Amino acid sequence: NAGVTQTPKFRVLKTGQSMTLLCAQDMNHEYMYWYRQDPGMGLRLIHYSVGEGTTAKGEVPDGYNVSRLKKQNFLLGLESAAPSQTSVYFCASSYSGVTGETQYFGPGTRLLVL
Amino acid sequence: GDSVTQMEGPVTLSEEAFLTINCTYTATGYPSLFWYVQYPGEGLQLLLKATKADDKGSNKGFEATYRKETTSFHLEKGSVQVSDSAVYFCALSDPDTGRRALTFGSGTRLQVQP
Repeated sequence: NAGVTQTPKFRVLKTGQSMTLLCAQDMNHEYMYWYRQDPGMGLRLIHYSVGEGTTAKGEVPDGYNVSRLKKQNFLLGLESAAPSQTSVYFCASSYSGVTGETQYFGPGTRLLVL
Repeated sequence: GDSVTQMEGPVTLSEEAFLTINCTYTATGYPSLFWYVQYPGEGLQLLLKATKADDKGSNKGFEATYRKETTSFHLEKGSVQVSDSAVYFCALSDPDTGRRALTFGSGTRLQVQP
């Protein structure tokens, strides 16, 4: 099992450009999450999904969109990138979302917006 | 809302020293508590967890006890190694939020010197 994978690993964008980050999991998990990690702030939830075809906003959703067309994939889109979106993005998944359940994280995507 | 507070880092220790990283939390519900570790260049991995008061989570020589009366989940290890150098995140999952995502502390960087 590959677990949770993320594509790409690193990307540089210019302000106003768009891009999509791909997260894939092979553990048949229902719940998937996108977090961003900024220095001194830990990880903050951007969007999440409780199953195929569903998405919901997290703590910091502005400027991002997501889609979950297939159970194993969770896409994060930036329509018009801004320097404030420079961050490391982590995808995570969990089986059923039950409290106390472990979340499994991908290796992260480092994004630099100039 | 929910929050997690960790001690500021970096924490610098010599090999075989005793480690404590403090973590306190506020939550509306009865949360589950986690410690995740991030090694350089990698994603987050679950280190240990506890799902109810007085539970002790343990793994790889690390321990933490869920203290409801002090709303704390301090991480300890009796003898650290150079290989323990990483960033440690305390986190909680609150059943009352309904979304099952994790709320993270800001992370504590541990540097262990030979």
